[in-house]
Amino acid sequence: QQPVQSPQAVILREGEDAVINCSSSKALYSVHWYRQKHGEAPVFLMILLKGGEQKGHEKISASFNEKKQQSSLYLTASQLSYSGTYFCGTEIVTGNTPLVFGKGTRLSVIA
Amino acid sequence: DTGVSQNPRHKITKRGQNVTFRCDPISEHNRLYWYRQTLGQGPEFLTYFQNEAQLEKSRLLSDRFSAERPKGSFSTLEIQRTEQGDSAMYLCASSRTGGTEAFFGQGTRLTVV
Repeated sequence: QQPVQSPQAVILREGEDAVINCSSSKALYSVHWYRQKHGEAPVFLMILLKGGEQKGHEKISASFNEKKQQSSLYLTASQLSYSGTYFCGTEIVTGNTPLVFGKGTRLSVIA
Repeated sequence: DTGVSQNPRHKITKRGQNVTFRCDPISEHNRLYWYRQTLGQGPEFLTYFQNEAQLEKSRLLSDRFSAERPKGSFSTLEIQRTEQGDSAMYLCASSRTGGTEAFFGQGTRLTVV
C-alpha cells in the first residue's frame, strides 16, 4: 500500500514552478505532505482528507483527486528554501490503517 | 507542547547487542508511529499504536523487533541481537488520531558495528 511518487528528483531555478505527484492503488482517506531537509526530521506541510477541499498556504498548495486516488503538490515561484525531499504519506479508507510514506521526491532549487 | 521527543539521539552498538529506544509523543496524541529511514529513502513503516494498543506491525519486521506503549503514553522500540543491516535512523511520530497531522521527533540514529 506504499504510495508512488513522481518524479524522483527535480532541479529548478529560483522562481520556477514544480508539481510533485503521489498515487495509490488503494482508496485513500487522507494524503499528508512533508518536507525533509538533510539531517533533519520530516516537517509537516499539509493534510488533505477525502471529501475535503484543496489546501494551500503562500506558494505551496495541494490537491486530492479521489476518483484517481492521486494527490499533487504545487510549488510556485520556488525559493532556495524549498530545497529538500518531499514525501507524501497516505492512509487508506478501510478502518484503522497506518500512515505509509512514498520514497520521496528530491527537489533542488538553484540560484 | 514540547513536540515529539526521542532518546537517545545517537546509539552505536556492537553487532549482537540489544538496544532500546524511547519516544515521548505530544501529550494529547493518541496515535504513535515508528518508522525506519535509510539514506535516500522514505520513512519505512514499522509499527503503530492507538493509545496502548499495537494496531499493526509491518510484515517486513523481523521477530527481533518489538515495541510497547504502556499506558498509552511513551513508547519503546527494542531491537534484539542487532545486525549491521539495522543501522538506520529510527523515527517516531504522533498524531491525535487517524486523519490528523502527524509530527515527527528528531529520530535516533543507530549504528551497528
